[in-house]
Amino acid sequence: EAQVTQNPRYLITVTGKKLTVTCSQNMNHEYMSWYRQDPGLGLRQIYYSMNVEVTDKGDVPEGYKVSRKEKRNFPLILESPSPNQTSLYFCASSGWAVGAYEAFFGQGTRLTVV
Amino acid sequence: GDSVTQMEGPVTLSEEAFLTINCTYTATGYPSLFWYVQYPGEGLQLLLKATKADDKGSNKGFEATYRKETTSFHLEKGSVQVSDSAVYFCALTASGGSNYKLTFGKGTLLTVNP
Repeated sequence: EAQVTQNPRYLITVTGKKLTVTCSQNMNHEYMSWYRQDPGLGLRQIYYSMNVEVTDKGDVPEGYKVSRKEKRNFPLILESPSPNQTSLYFCASSGWAVGAYEAFFGQGTRLTVV
Repeated sequence: GDSVTQMEGPVTLSEEAFLTINCTYTATGYPSLFWYVQYPGEGLQLLLKATKADDKGSNKGFEATYRKETTSFHLEKGSVQVSDSAVYFCALTASGGSNYKLTFGKGTLLTVNP
């Protein structure tokens, strides 16, 4: 079954404590990305990766890092989380299907920074 | 840059009512257009897509037609069910080199009452 798996689903942390949200896909997709979803703002792209060791900033990259050491994994790293990073985060991987890239999304990680 | 504008919600309907959620876009060339659905507590799922002008995407009773002349991709369903309650996102990927990056509208919350 095609799947994007994110962990954890829920996370409460304190300001400044480094954390990592993991993302893994089983579809051999080259393109992966991270989004944050906030009320009234929709989904905004944080970072994306075109392939192993190839990453680039999206629309709201400040305060985040990513890495892509293996094709299947694309972790999101918050080195020093702040309360304004409280949000719902989604990982996605995209593959070509009948005329366009289609995105598959993980279940989401709800992060609260206090 | 590319953008997507969709009608703001929330939208509340009775079961078996007709649904329209308006979506218009701004993009150069011929983008691919998508509707994604997010059920409560879940990630986004692709609902339907259209990759060229006058194409109609359809799935689960939902339809949307790619109208190049009005730059629109309105979502319709003839008879909604309680199980259709969700957030609906209109999105596009650009034509050409950035054809993997999704640009989303802000989402429309649909609630269907029995």
